Amino acid sequence: DIQLTQSPSSLSASVGDRVTITCRASQTISTHLNWYQQKPGKAPKLLIYAASSVQTGVPSRFSGSGSGTDFTLTISTLQPEDLATYYCQQTYGATWTFGQGTKVEIK
Amino acid sequence: DVQLVESGGGLIQPGGSLRLSCAASGFTVSSSFMSWVRQAPGRRLEWVSVIYAGGNTYYADSVKGRFTISRDNSKDTVFLQMNSLRAEDTAVYYCARVDATMVFAVDVWGQGTTVTVSS
Repeated sequence: DIQLTQSPSSLSASVGDRVTITCRASQTISTHLNWYQQKPGKAPKLLIYAASSVQTGVPSRFSGSGSGTDFTLTISTLQPEDLATYYCQQTYGATWTFGQGTKVEIK
Repeated sequence: DVQLVESGGGLIQPGGSLRLSCAASGFTVSSSFMSWVRQAPGRRLEWVSVIYAGGNTYYADSVKGRFTISRDNSKDTVFLQMNSLRAEDTAVYYCARVDATMVFAVDVWGQGTTVTVSS
């Protein structure tokens, strides 16, 4: 199975900060990489698909990049409502996996 | 409106069976890829299974041979039959629509149904 490793596992940042989360795959997955936001007690929400395509309705401060094994989710200007856990997911091949998550807290 | 509503969760003893249902509205499951994703308390999301529009099915190693995904096209409902349940199957189970044009990203999630495996 393809493993995904996210870093950091958690971070604390101030409103207005630029936040970067990375996701590394154990083997190449082209751009079969998606990002989700999950707020406490809620179902996840799709932010980014195919590594860099922003889902309809997602604020423009969210962006994604990468290909192969290394990927990045960036929040350009952190907002209070971005308090959440962020997960990457790979969909390369027949079985899919999620990263362990990155918890974003607001200072 | 596109919506997924899960049901069927509950408390079950180890070794028991449970069938989860996911009723879809606003789209047709027969022409969609549908998946189940679970999340144990305080843990990461875990992909469980997918059924392709063409009917192919795939499973995570942790549930292969114990869980079966299926669908009833006439009722736009997807099922997850779970047998030989273990304590580690305790989780919130989410039904999800997968968009094959978006590298199989989940674009619609249900609200989740809770399965607790305990004696």
